[in-house]
Amino acid sequence: GAVVSQHPSWVICKSGTSVKIECRSLDFQATTMFWYRQFPKQSLMLMATSNEGSKATYEQGVEKDKFLINHASLTLSTLTVTSAHPEDSSFYICGGLRELYGYTFGSGTRLTVV
Amino acid sequence: AQSVAQPEDQVNVAEGNPLTVKCTYSVSGNPYLFWYVQYPNRGLQFLLKYITGDNLVKGSYGFEAEFNKSQTSFHLKKPSALVSDSALYFCAVRDIGTYKYIFGTGTRLKVLA
Repeated sequence: GAVVSQHPSWVICKSGTSVKIECRSLDFQATTMFWYRQFPKQSLMLMATSNEGSKATYEQGVEKDKFLINHASLTLSTLTVTSAHPEDSSFYICGGLRELYGYTFGSGTRLTVV
Repeated sequence: AQSVAQPEDQVNVAEGNPLTVKCTYSVSGNPYLFWYVQYPNRGLQFLLKYITGDNLVKGSYGFEAEFNKSQTSFHLKKPSALVSDSALYFCAVRDIGTYKYIFGTGTRLKVLA
């Protein structure tokens, strides 16, 4: 079946540094990738929608300069958390959209900013 | 606006007993409904979906869900629960125009041995 590979699965970084999370669709082309953030014991909140070759569309309240999303190819989308702060610590999940099938999600990235 | 509600934060069930995880929805038009399961520190795994057709949808790992239009519900069910079914379950509805998924708040299922 379709697989989205998300890396890293967990990362610890210092405040002020940037962290890049990659999502690759391994056996399908994801023209659209969705990025979600999940707080402890809470649901998934959509951060942004990225389409291959165009700028990402951010949800209200999400800082686009802080959460940089790049969707350079049909199989790769990246989320970069810039100048990370402890409040950015969270679980981030990407989902690649397969037409007619729906989402295939990555395994998630646990980000801890210290 | 489309939305889903999962009224229970947690459901406890004994192993071997039937389980139900509830979900209600609010959409304009015909709903596209989904169930996903999440294990600790993992991504979401697809269980099943309802687009059209039979109201009883069968999915992965023995799960099924019943679409009830009059009650605007899409409850997840399994005839006999396993301890390994213990996880976090999310109901979701797809926004027709944008493909965005709107997730419920999740229900933690605990199956007791």
